[in-house]
Amino acid sequence: DTGVSQNPRHKITKRGQNVTFRCDPISEHNRLYWYRQTLGQGPEFLTYFQNEAQLEKSRLLSDRFSAERPKGSFSTLEIQRTEQGDSAMYLCASSFGGSSGNTIYFGEGSWLTVV
Amino acid sequence: SQELEQSPQSLIVQEGKNLTINCTSSKTLYGLYWYKQKYGEGLIFLMMLQKGGEEKSHEKITAKLDEKKQQSSLHITASQPSHAGIYLCGADMGSGGYQKVTFGTGTKLQVIP
Repeated sequence: DTGVSQNPRHKITKRGQNVTFRCDPISEHNRLYWYRQTLGQGPEFLTYFQNEAQLEKSRLLSDRFSAERPKGSFSTLEIQRTEQGDSAMYLCASSFGGSSGNTIYFGEGSWLTVV
Repeated sequence: SQELEQSPQSLIVQEGKNLTINCTSSKTLYGLYWYKQKYGEGLIFLMMLQKGGEEKSHEKITAKLDEKKQQSSLHITASQPSHAGIYLCGADMGSGGYQKVTFGTGTKLQVIP
């Protein structure tokens, strides 16, 4: 068990470019979450996957954002035509579903800076 | 999130002192999570509480959930510099049928040697 892995850890991109983040959850975890965190704030929910199905998307997830989890394993979060307001840390988390009492483990996060 | 309030926003304590961080929800909670975060890093799981009146301890950190399941406190005994960081409470308010966690804004803790 190597924990939730995210990469890249840091990304600096020019406004208008596309970026993609990858998350490898803990193996056997069927639930996967993406959160966004800005300085001085707590993480905000973006989207949730159960296996390969994306079951909920926050209103924060504009049309420029897309997340996938093919085969129910790793997940990607793509941001198209990045804007300065997208600068934040993107956190991935996973848990083993089946009941409500399971621990949710977070990755180290991926920092995005849009210049 | 306005649904979850954390206090205080920041705390500076002398090493060896005890401290308490509070987390209050406007709704009954299905689960309450405490995490610790170092600046620029991910969240480290501390404890999860589900039952009213539940209390859990790990090393010098104790977390409690009140009987109504709307308030939680995190207590650190004999604080050490290693306790410094941002403490986040997260609440599962039961929407969505899965563990959708809403976070507070965090409490920044500094421990002065």
